[in-house]
Amino acid sequence: AIRITQSPSSLSASTGDRVTITCRASQGISSYLAWYQQKPGKAPKLLIYAASTLQSGVPSRFSGSGSGTDFTLTISCLQSEDFATYYCQQYYSYPSFGGGTKVEIK
Amino acid sequence: QVQLQESGPGLVKPSETLSLTCTVSGGSISSYYWSWIRQPAGKGLEWIGRIYTSGSTNYNPSLKSRVTMSVDTSKNQFSLKLSSVTAADTAVYYCARGHSSRSHIDYWGQGTLVTVSS
Repeated sequence: AIRITQSPSSLSASTGDRVTITCRASQGISSYLAWYQQKPGKAPKLLIYAASTLQSGVPSRFSGSGSGTDFTLTISCLQSEDFATYYCQQYYSYPSFGGGTKVEIK
Repeated sequence: QVQLQESGPGLVKPSETLSLTCTVSGGSISSYYWSWIRQPAGKGLEWIGRIYTSGSTNYNPSLKSRVTMSVDTSKNQFSLKLSSVTAADTAVYYCARGHSSRSHIDYWGQGTLVTVSS
């Protein structure tokens, strides 16, 4: 089983900040990684797939990078609507998720 | 716009079988991979398994002995059965769509809370 370690588990930031979240896979997964945003009481929403491809309709302040075992989600200029929990997911083998990163208001 | 809707009992007794159905609207169920994912309150996401429209399945090894999935293409529905449930199976259960066996998930249902309690 491929394990995904996501960090940090939470962070505090202000509107306008640049935010970076990382995921590390226990083995190489090429670019088979997606990022999701989840708000309380809602289903996750796809932001990025194939490590760096922005899903249609997602603001360009979101970006993803990485391949192999190390991946990053960056929010270039945090907006009020971006305060949420973010999950990465590998789909190289049967899917597994990172533990999540809660982005809170500082 | 594709929409997924979970349905089924919100309360299941311990040792019994949890049964959920996902109805797909706004698009065909054919040629996609359909997953079930769950999330205990305040915790992360756990992939339960998936089914292709041919009926082929893949299950999370940690749940494999208790999981059965099926698909009914005539009704645009797929289903989950999880047997011998305990309180640890209490969670919000989501159905979701993927394009292939190596694919991200692009559509999710709204989720349904299933509580295991006597």
